[in-house]
Amino acid sequence: GAVVSQHPSWVICKSGTSVKIECRSLDFQATTMFWYRQFPKQSLMLMATSNEGSKATYEQGVEKDKFLINHASLTLSTLTVTSAHPEDSSFYICSARGGGQGNTEAFFGQGTRLTVV
Amino acid sequence: GEDVEQSLFLSVREGDSSVINCTYTDSSSTYLYWYKQEPGAGLQLLTYIFSNMDMKQDQRLTVLLNKKDKHLSLRIADTQTGDSAIYFCAETSYKLIFGSGTRLLVRP
Repeated sequence: GAVVSQHPSWVICKSGTSVKIECRSLDFQATTMFWYRQFPKQSLMLMATSNEGSKATYEQGVEKDKFLINHASLTLSTLTVTSAHPEDSSFYICSARGGGQGNTEAFFGQGTRLTVV
Repeated sequence: GEDVEQSLFLSVREGDSSVINCTYTDSSSTYLYWYKQEPGAGLQLLTYIFSNMDMKQDQRLTVLLNKKDKHLSLRIADTQTGDSAIYFCAETSYKLIFGSGTRLLVRP
């Protein structure tokens, strides 16, 4: 299957700082990217959906000013956690889907474990 | 809104079949998926089924879809210890919405 590279795989940051997570589709054009967060032993919660070149659509309860999403090209989306706090510590996973009818599969990055201290 | 539910835990003996169940609410779902997640890792797509199908078989995996009841199941034949993981069902009409995950434990 296609490859989605997420970087970094883990990061520790101080409270109040910002952290950027990158999600790249390596061998296909990702017209849509999804960002999820996963708390320990819980499911993936969709945070936002972004289409290349347009503003992200955030799920209810997700602060768009805190979780900045940029999808400036067909192969790269970034999630920036601004002014991080310990409660933002989580596993963040991106997913990318190509365009076209019948496009069935969303490919996932390996995830980024964020720890805010 | 969309909702996807799964049982939380399943334990089987090695060599037995495992059946993981899932229910969803969105009747406009077009595709339904099963993903596997091993500890600390991302998600691996196992299989998917289009909403106009009622069964799909792929080697040891069999997916059954009852669209009327909005019920999806994943059967793993001859379950192995390497199948121990969390299994998520997901549905999409556009956004991919996940169930809570079923932790499968395979006992030797």
